[in-house]
Amino acid sequence: SYVLTQPPSVSVAPGQTARITCGGNNIGSKSVHWYQQKPGQAPVLVVYDDSDRPSGIPERFSGSNSGNTATLTISRVEAGDEADYYCQVWDSSSDHPYVFGTGTKVTVL
Amino acid sequence: QVQLVQSGAEVKKPGASVKVSCKASGYTFTSYDINWVRQATGQGLEWMGWMNPNSGNTGYAQKFQGRVTMTRNTSISTAYMELSSLRSEDTAVYYCARGRDGYILGWGQGTLVTVSS
Repeated sequence: SYVLTQPPSVSVAPGQTARITCGGNNIGSKSVHWYQQKPGQAPVLVVYDDSDRPSGIPERFSGSNSGNTATLTISRVEAGDEADYYCQVWDSSSDHPYVFGTGTKVTVL
Repeated sequence: QVQLVQSGAEVKKPGASVKVSCKASGYTFTSYDINWVRQATGQGLEWMGWMNPNSGNTGYAQKFQGRVTMTRNTSISTAYMELSSLRSEDTAVYYCARGRDGYILGWGQGTLVTVSS
């Protein structure tokens, strides 16, 4: 089945830029979606279809996808951005079509 | 507003079954798939399966085939997930999630299922 690999952790100072990668075989040919999960809460969609934002999500959250790596970028990081982030793709060829990445803990220093 | 409200926490013994409900409001229940995703403590998200509330069609991850059943009652806009032959490794928070076009638009609040003798 399709595998998505994320770094376990990313640390960033307030006001700086955090970049979270999501690696997968030819992931650039798929649509990538990103979720934010704060402790004790359900995940929230922050980017869909590689780079689109749902209503209510700040413009500071952006995404890109090419080759074997997709990236979620958080600009001007705030303390409230500290959370776990998961990438996800739809693998239509699998019996397990919703594939989630391993997750990345973003720590704001 | 769009909401998915799940049933409360459950404690089950190994070998038992659990049935979690997920009541939808604020949108047309039959217009979006309902997925079930679980998360063990400190672990990542694990997709279990999906159901089309309009047709009742389902698709389950191979890992859960034979143990999971997803159903719905359209008259009360509620989806259900039943997991049988529970073991300690099934201890997790179970989420229902509204999906379409290959991604999840919104999640329930989660239901903690604890399997312990």
